[in-house]
Amino acid sequence: GAGVSQSPSNKVTEKGKDVELRCDPISGHTALYWYRQSLGQGLEFLIYFQGNSAPDKSGLPSDRFSAERTGGSVSTLTIQRTQQEDSAVYLCASSLGWTGELFFGEGSRLTVL
Amino acid sequence: GEDVEQSLFLSVREGDSSVINCTYTDSSSTYLYWYKQEPGAGLQLLTYIFSNMDMKQDQRLTVLLNKKDKHLSLRIADTQTGDSAIYFCAENPNTGTASKLTFGTGTRLQVTL
Repeated sequence: GAGVSQSPSNKVTEKGKDVELRCDPISGHTALYWYRQSLGQGLEFLIYFQGNSAPDKSGLPSDRFSAERTGGSVSTLTIQRTQQEDSAVYLCASSLGWTGELFFGEGSRLTVL
Repeated sequence: GEDVEQSLFLSVREGDSSVINCTYTDSSSTYLYWYKQEPGAGLQLLTYIFSNMDMKQDQRLTVLLNKKDKHLSLRIADTQTGDSAIYFCAENPNTGTASKLTFGTGTRLQVTL
């Protein structure tokens, strides 16, 4: 498909394990975003990649969270030593233009037991 | 700083009008957005308004912007059951470049028969 693709759609893990979440943006989109949506909360910005510029990591909640974007396309969000409070839906979005239309994937639901 | 606030829940009867409100604090925002999230899905752009406008109409949707009070609203005329979703307002304080959006907490719209 032509949309933003995220995997896995659901992930259940044990506390203390590491997890990787993957995002495939729309081809040609230069900007990629990760947001976190917790139950009853809005969208919390995590990290933003724009072209070859240094990423804006200002939203990462702790040093257990990291993300990379390889070749200006696919991105991986890694959470090390997961905690129960990391349980949330992790949404990836990409965009091209300056009007701020973000195209979202369906999200990866993470449950930490 | 950037902070976007919305009421959490709104219930309306089918056929009535819905009005979802949002307040923001960043006066430099040049674009303001409404996104819709249906159950189990990512967010989808519904409409947006440029900050030099005070109203925008698009079929059943009317967006009103009061820059003085930093207040944004979304009116849905003739609300249908298919409009049941979470609605997020968002601001983009930067101009000319794609950048991260700041989202509100979301308003869950419930449409009853």
